[in-house]
Amino acid sequence: KAGVTQTPRYLIKTRGQQVTLSCSPISGHRSVSWYQQTPGQGLQFLFEYFSETQRNKGNFPGRFSGRQFSNSRSEMNVSTLELGDSALYLCASSSGVGPTGINEQYFGPGTRLTVT
Amino acid sequence: AQSVTQLDSQVPVFEEAPVELRCNYSSSVSVYLFWYVQYPNQGLQLLLKYLSGSTLVESINGFEAEFNKSQTSFHLRKPSVHISDTAEYFCAVSDGGKLIFGQGTELSVKP
Repeated sequence: KAGVTQTPRYLIKTRGQQVTLSCSPISGHRSVSWYQQTPGQGLQFLFEYFSETQRNKGNFPGRFSGRQFSNSRSEMNVSTLELGDSALYLCASSSGVGPTGINEQYFGPGTRLTVT
Repeated sequence: AQSVTQLDSQVPVFEEAPVELRCNYSSSVSVYLFWYVQYPNQGLQLLLKYLSGSTLVESINGFEAEFNKSQTSFHLRKPSVHISDTAEYFCAVSDGGKLIFGQGTELSVKP
């Protein structure tokens, strides 16, 4: 079974630009979650999508948005990039069904975004 | 809201020595706990999880963790570490489906 894939793996953008990151979950998984990892703030939850609907949301500004397609692939978008958005963005997939919280999350390798 | 504290940011240890990585979580009625490992330039891999039942959970590569409700802890242990265990380890708690992570512990195994 193929794992979670994220594209691109590395990205360099300029402050003020926008960026779109992509995540393909494990086949059959319907839930995709996004996390931001920085040296200062650690790993922080951005949002979760399940069956094309946002099911959970973290405490990030509206510049961070996402969506999920009917094939469960997900994208996240960051508009008006700031230097502080430089981070490793991780996507995780899970089956998403059953009691909330117990489903194992499988992480992709991440997209490293550098904002200059 | 849930929170997780990893008490040590760095743990240096010699090969074949035992190690314990400490994790405390904020109390809750029911809790699901996880340990993840991250190797350089990679994503997170699940090491082990506690959902219910036996308070001692084990991974396939020799790590184990014990859920202690009275002390709100979920410490990770290994009786004998290898060079290949060098990585960053994250403790996490599930809060309504989203994972809340600790700040991570860098385990450095020296020959």
